[in-house]
Amino acid sequence: GDSVTQMEGPVTLSEEAFLTINCTYTATGYPSLFWYVQYPGEGLQLLLKATKADDKGSNKGFEATYRKETTSFHLEKGSVQVSDSAVYFCALSAPGGSNYKLTFGKGTLLTVNP
Amino acid sequence: DVKVTQSSRYLVKRTGEKVFLECVQDMDHENMFWYRQDPGLGLRLIYFSYDVKMKEKGDIPEGYSVSREKKERFSLILESASTNQTSMYLCAIQTGANYGYTFGSGTRLTVV
Repeated sequence: GDSVTQMEGPVTLSEEAFLTINCTYTATGYPSLFWYVQYPGEGLQLLLKATKADDKGSNKGFEATYRKETTSFHLEKGSVQVSDSAVYFCALSAPGGSNYKLTFGKGTLLTVNP
Repeated sequence: DVKVTQSSRYLVKRTGEKVFLECVQDMDHENMFWYRQDPGLGLRLIYFSYDVKMKEKGDIPEGYSVSREKKERFSLILESASTNQTSMYLCAIQTGANYGYTFGSGTRLTVV
C-alpha cells in the first residue's frame, strides 16, 4: 500500500539555520505530494504541494521538489525563524477509485531557538 | 476559502459516556474525514464519508461510529468513551483541486 516515511525528530535549530526535513514515499501511480504544518494547539495547514514530477512547491520561504526518480519530496528552508517552530507532515494523495485519501507521515517536530 | 469548524477545542468526559464530536463545513464538499492524532503515531484515519449517509471505515474504526445526515455536517461518535480514546481529534474535508485537505482546528478530548 501507499506509505510516507519522513525523518524522525525532534529537530532543533538556531534561528537563520538551514532546514531540511526528508520525506520519501511509496505509491502506485503518480501521486500528488503535500507538506502540512501544525502550529501548537492548532489543526494542520497546507504549506505547499506538487502534483507531478519535477514540480517545485513553495510557500513562506519553504520549498520542496517532487523527485520521481528518488521518490522523494524533501522540505527545505534557507533561513528558519522562531515562528517556524511546529510539526511538519509530509503526505501523498494517490488516485484510485472515487475517494482520494491522504496518507501522512508521522510528523517531524521542529524547534527553532533564538 | 472554505472553513471547517469543530464544535469544541477541549472536552473532558467520563469513562462510559457517549461522546459526540461535530464538524461543520461552510461549503458543499463531498469528502469529509475524521482522524485522531497521538504522539509518535501521527495521524490515523478513523472514518470518512463521501456523501450524505455514506461512510467508510478507516484504519482504526473500533469504538467509533459516524453520522452524516446533511452534507455540511460530519459527526464522530464515541459509543462508550474509554481512557485510551484520549486524543486530539481532527476533522478534514477534501477541497478538490489536487485533492488537498482543509482541517479544522481540532478537539482535544480527555476521558477520565
